[in-house]
Amino acid sequence: IQLTQSPSSLSASVGDRVTITCRASQDINTYLAWYQQKPGKAPKLLIYAASTLQSGVPSRFSGSGSGTDFTLTISSLQPEDSATYYCLQLSSFPFTFAGGTKVEIK
Amino acid sequence: EVQLVESGGGLVQPGGSLRLSCAASGFTLSSYWMHWVRQAPGKGLVWVSYITNDGSISNYADSVKGRFTISRDNAKNTLYLQVNSLRAEDTAVYYCARGGILRAIDYWGQGALVTVSS
Repeated sequence: IQLTQSPSSLSASVGDRVTITCRASQDINTYLAWYQQKPGKAPKLLIYAASTLQSGVPSRFSGSGSGTDFTLTISSLQPEDSATYYCLQLSSFPFTFAGGTKVEIK
Repeated sequence: EVQLVESGGGLVQPGGSLRLSCAASGFTLSSYWMHWVRQAPGKGLVWVSYITNDGSISNYADSVKGRFTISRDNAKNTLYLQVNSLRAEDTAVYYCARGGILRAIDYWGQGALVTVSS
């Protein structure tokens, strides 16, 4: 299963609403997770089952979608959200990550 | 606190082998699937392999199938990845990670760098 994430990078201001999309090449139901990775660090789980917020993750992060089209939204971008974001499909093996979206703060 | 600590990385020549280990603590290893994920320098994340909680089933990315072997010793709270026939393109940070609720990979180690070079 191929995952296509867009955009590959974006630059936004603090307080902006940011949306990242992930499209699967076939139906994956809601077997999708979103991760945040900062340079030199391990990825951090943000969202699982497409829309369930992982414990401890700020509520400004949200996920939606099912089937083939998914969205990660940051409702009000904060300086600490500067990172690369990845989606991961968990529907069937081999699991696959998308190429990532680098989010920069203007 | 869940902790995953990888070891065993290093510099290896093309065609060589290594065994990566991942020491788990803060949870009952035998209750969870476990994964290896890698990341080449400056590149994205790539899922490598997984193993079921009892070690009976495993799966691999096509790029490593036949060369890498995942295993676990629940009594020692340790996950392993035996990497053979290494190629330059296997150079990456290798992360050990836990498979949690609804298959989501929820906790990650700090990673072990494997460099394949002559």
